[in-house]
Amino acid sequence: QTVVTQEPSFSVSPGGTVTLTCGLSSGSVSTSHYPTWYQQTPGQAPRTLIYSTNTRSSGVPDRFSGSILGNKAALTITGAQADDECDYYCVLYMGSGIYWVFGGGTKLTVL
Amino acid sequence: EVQLLESGGGLVQPGGSLRLSCAASGFTFGSYAMTWVRQAPGKGLEWVSAISGSGGTTYNADSVKGRFTISRDESKNTVYLQMNSLRAEDTAIYYCARGLGRAAAGTGWVYWGQGTLVTVSS
Repeated sequence: QTVVTQEPSFSVSPGGTVTLTCGLSSGSVSTSHYPTWYQQTPGQAPRTLIYSTNTRSSGVPDRFSGSILGNKAALTITGAQADDECDYYCVLYMGSGIYWVFGGGTKLTVL
Repeated sequence: EVQLLESGGGLVQPGGSLRLSCAASGFTFGSYAMTWVRQAPGKGLEWVSAISGSGGTTYNADSVKGRFTISRDESKNTVYLQMNSLRAEDTAIYYCARGLGRAAAGTGWVYWGQGTLVTVSS
């Protein structure tokens, strides 16, 4: 069974930089998985931050960036702000038979 | 402006059926793949079904295979999710989302609707 792994929680200081990761239980993440990152606040629909590994969605500030770091996809937030405190999800395209698999999400705390 | 508006959610008994709709506007509907993603209360996101821009190719998660069917109507700019044999574990907010192009394979799901709640309970 394919499992996409994310840190369950992470903490960052206001103004600080944090890197969230998205990995696979078996194997490495590459650009061929077309990693996409979402931000979700309670009671709201997901908001797309990054797609195709490192393309920022329209209106997303350049404080958010995506990349491949080692064998994982990564979302880096610089200059963390209070309203960055929410849940972050990644999704990977796994190809035929499995298709798209979401990670379990990371709850980011800014304090 | 891309807009996606889901409807059709509600309370249904186990074993029952429901059809969700997602009305799209602000783009050329037939040029984009569409998908349904769900989120159970207090849980994470789960991909459910996807359909190519032409409607010729569909994809389903194992958890809904044989029970859910995704389709689209170009004349109404609407994508549907027919859900049969519903179970308690299908209780979730169902979101529709749009892809980056006509092909579903490999696309990112970028534009999202606000979701519709489906509750399966007796």
